[in-house]
Amino acid sequence: RKEVEQDPGPFNVPEGATVAFNCTYSNSASQSFFWYRQDCRKEPKLLMSVYSSGNEDGRFTAQLNRASQYISLLIRDSKLSDSATYLCVVIVSGYALNFGKGTSLLVTP
Amino acid sequence: GAGVSQSPSNKVTEKGKDVELRCDPISGHTALYWYRQRLGQGLEFLIYFQGNSAPDKSGLPSDRFSAERTGESVSTLTIQRTQQEDSAVYLCASSSLGATYEQYFGPGTRLTVT
Repeated sequence: RKEVEQDPGPFNVPEGATVAFNCTYSNSASQSFFWYRQDCRKEPKLLMSVYSSGNEDGRFTAQLNRASQYISLLIRDSKLSDSATYLCVVIVSGYALNFGKGTSLLVTP
Repeated sequence: GAGVSQSPSNKVTEKGKDVELRCDPISGHTALYWYRQRLGQGLEFLIYFQGNSAPDKSGLPSDRFSAERTGESVSTLTIQRTQQEDSAVYLCASSSLGATYEQYFGPGTRLTVT
């Protein structure tokens, strides 16, 4: 079983739509959680951290459910520029990031 | 300031040859990581350097893979006797000690083994 699992998509949504991605992790001892974004043929970049209390950054909201071991990312009012692959990232301990394979999002006009 | 740089950006090599990939981290970042991303797959952790501590090599897939880092600067990842399954994008990242979760990635080296 993979440590971090994501639906690969693709999610095709029209501009202005709200879209949500989920990610599950297998290790209950996981400590830290993040969403990274990776544009096509580019390097991953940190999008936001994920906390149990939830956190919001503009149109993006991230949530952690420790009991069910899943992480979510909600994007409101989708823009064309949101098209990318969203990587769920979990740190069990220390420094090694465990990446999911990513969920592909395509926002269409 | 300058980000993480990697060279070469692309490398095509014949099976059995050795290759060396280079990473220049962000100045002042004490932590450096190597990852591998195969086509359509997630990132796989390979190795981690932190200052002068012994590196964490737990992610290296075989003894054909090795990496070195000089102090807190340049790192090289060496793959000996390359195999076709080594074809991937090799990504280097660096971070500051207090924020290892926020890793800044280089553009990667796309390795193709023919």
